[in-house]
Amino acid sequence: KAGVTQTPRYLIKTRGQQVTLSCSPISGHRSVSWYQQTPGQGLQFLFEYFSETQRNKGNFPGRFSGRQFSNSRSEMNVSTLELGDSALYLCASSFYPGANTEAFFGQGTRLTVV
Amino acid sequence: GQQVMQIPQYQHVQEGEDFTTYCNSSTTLSNIQWYKQRPGGHPVFLIQLVKSGEVKKQKRLTFQFGEAKKNSSLHITATQTTDVGTYFCAGHWNAGNMLTFGGGTRLMVKP
Repeated sequence: KAGVTQTPRYLIKTRGQQVTLSCSPISGHRSVSWYQQTPGQGLQFLFEYFSETQRNKGNFPGRFSGRQFSNSRSEMNVSTLELGDSALYLCASSFYPGANTEAFFGQGTRLTVV
Repeated sequence: GQQVMQIPQYQHVQEGEDFTTYCNSSTTLSNIQWYKQRPGGHPVFLIQLVKSGEVKKQKRLTFQFGEAKKNSSLHITATQTTDVGTYFCAGHWNAGNMLTFGGGTRLMVKP
C-alpha cells in the first residue's frame, strides 16, 4: 500500500513569505502528526490531528498552524517565514492517536528560508 | 515540561563492536518506541515496548524497557555498516499525549 506522501519535497522561500505543506496519510489512517527536524534540535513536535480536530500542539509560535480535512489529509502553514524556520518538516500518520500506535513517516519537506 | 533524554548524542564504532543508546524520562512512560533514520531518510519504526521490564530482540538488536518504565535502551551486537543512522526513542506519557522523541543517537560505523 502507498506510504505517507508529503509535498512538495523541497521548497525555497524568502523571509517574510508564507508556505503551505501537504501530507497525505496512509489509506485508513486518521491521525496525522507534524514534526520539525533540525540538526541541533532533533524532532520537535508541532501538531497532532485526528478526525479534523487538533488534539495536541507543541511549543511553536502562532505563525505555525495546521488543519486536517475530512479525507484525513493534512496541511501545515507557516506565515512570516524566518531564517530559523529552515528545517525538514516531517509528517507521520497512524490508525489512531495515542499510545500503542506505530507512526509511519513521510519523506519530509525540506524548507529553506533565504 | 516532560522530556525524553537520550545519550550519547554521537557514537563512532569499529565494525564488529557493540553499540548501546540510552533513553530516560523524568516521569513514567506509557510506552517506548524506537525508530531508525538513515542518512537522508525519514524515521522508520523499529519496535514498541509496553510492559515494565520488557525485553525484545530483533536479530542483533536488543531493546529493554526499565522496571519503572522511565528508561529504555537499544543494544546492537557486532555492528555492521548497514547499522549506520540515527536511532531515536520516543514515548507517550499517557494515551492523550503526543509521541515525544528523544534527541537521537547518531551511530557511525567504520569498516
